[in-house]
Amino acid sequence: ETGVTQTPRHLVMGMTNKKSLKCEQHLGHNAMYWYKQSAKKPLELMFVYNFKEQTENNSVPSRFSPECPNSSHLFLHLHTLQPEDSALYLCASSHLDRKVNTEAFFGQGTRLTVV
Amino acid sequence: GDSVTQMEGPVTLSEEAFLTINCTYTATGYPSLFWYVQYPGEGLQLLLKATKADDKGSNKGFEATYRKETTSFHLEKGSVQVSDSAVYFCALSEGTGANSKLTFGKGITLSVRP
Repeated sequence: ETGVTQTPRHLVMGMTNKKSLKCEQHLGHNAMYWYKQSAKKPLELMFVYNFKEQTENNSVPSRFSPECPNSSHLFLHLHTLQPEDSALYLCASSHLDRKVNTEAFFGQGTRLTVV
Repeated sequence: GDSVTQMEGPVTLSEEAFLTINCTYTATGYPSLFWYVQYPGEGLQLLLKATKADDKGSNKGFEATYRKETTSFHLEKGSVQVSDSAVYFCALSEGTGANSKLTFGKGITLSVRP
């Protein structure tokens, strides 16, 4: 496997369910990100992990809980979601370098539907 | 703070037409600039990038030149194909190391008809 892999690709869950999204990167990167992409809205950065430490949480509701056990894996734990949380959730990774600005590499996303 | 502004969409073109998608940015330092493309049902893929003023990024027939004087990074292609139909995002990355921050524009949908 190469690049950034997200599972599952599609998820339908009820508002009382608990589920987790998984992301794995095989690029040797040291930073990972969760983004939310809703229809007709700009891409929203949710969480940032640099060197396994969470460095950014952009006012995300507590029903979304990230976990980064190591630099290759990132999870997004979901519980008691609302229908408006239905969206495409994108994971990305990058290599943070002291000298240059770097780009992010994205997974294919998990299409989440909350019913 | 940093920001990226893209022209309003959607854009619909006929096959083989010339494409320009405008992008301007605001940054305090010396950002790197990127264009990402998102095909239906997929994540974002890096299309091209430029890391300093006057650099030209190019890939798959697409080009964009980093213009510091106009703070722009417009995307162009001489002859679009149906397979170019996708959403295009302009982005910038400023800062290095743990201070690195990636900022995206709103994205624009391109539809190319046969």
